[in-house]
Amino acid sequence: DGGITQSPKYLFRKEGQNVTLSCEQNLNHDAMYWYRQDPGQGLRLIYYSQIVNDFQKGDIAEGYSVSREKKESFPLTVTSAQKNPTAFYLCASSIAGQAPYEQYFGPGTRLTVT
Amino acid sequence: GQNIDQPTEMTATEGAIVQINCTYQTSGFNGLFWYQQHAGEAPTFLSYNVLDGLEEKGRFSSFLSRSKGYSYLLLKELQMKDSASYLCAVENSNYQLIWGAGTKLIIKP
Repeated sequence: DGGITQSPKYLFRKEGQNVTLSCEQNLNHDAMYWYRQDPGQGLRLIYYSQIVNDFQKGDIAEGYSVSREKKESFPLTVTSAQKNPTAFYLCASSIAGQAPYEQYFGPGTRLTVT
Repeated sequence: GQNIDQPTEMTATEGAIVQINCTYQTSGFNGLFWYQQHAGEAPTFLSYNVLDGLEEKGRFSSFLSRSKGYSYLLLKELQMKDSASYLCAVENSNYQLIWGAGTKLIIKP
């Protein structure tokens, strides 16, 4: 079965530590995305990638970093520079191109930083 | 600025019909999506509108009026499992998805 996996589902870290969230997809999608979801707010785009070895900042990239070394993988690192990292993080993928394509989401990682 | 407006919460009765509205102001328009999200889970795709009019998919229908910057999601024959948040998202002319905050739908027996 094709899909997107994110691990772990819950993650706890101490303030000041970097943490990497994994995202893997076997849908053969070129485009991948990282979103952050906070209560009462819409999904906010952190980073996206349309092709391997290339990625772009989204609306709230400060304090985050990504890599796209393989088509299947798009890990997100939450650095100590992110002021308010506690949130629900969602990874998504889609066909790349000019037509609007639906995004497929992973199950999400809930990160708590104390 | 760009924004998507949806009601925060709605309540409906099992078996009834509910309409969830979405208004948008974005830099251009390529298409509008509706997603369903159960609490603590990932959003799942429901529907997609590019042209004006109604798209029907079983118990769910979605309507779009581009001139009014308006869409609605219509859910018929409501079931308890329809209790979820419904997210409206618009793809703008820069191919970015702009998301609404979602409408939490509560279904009562």
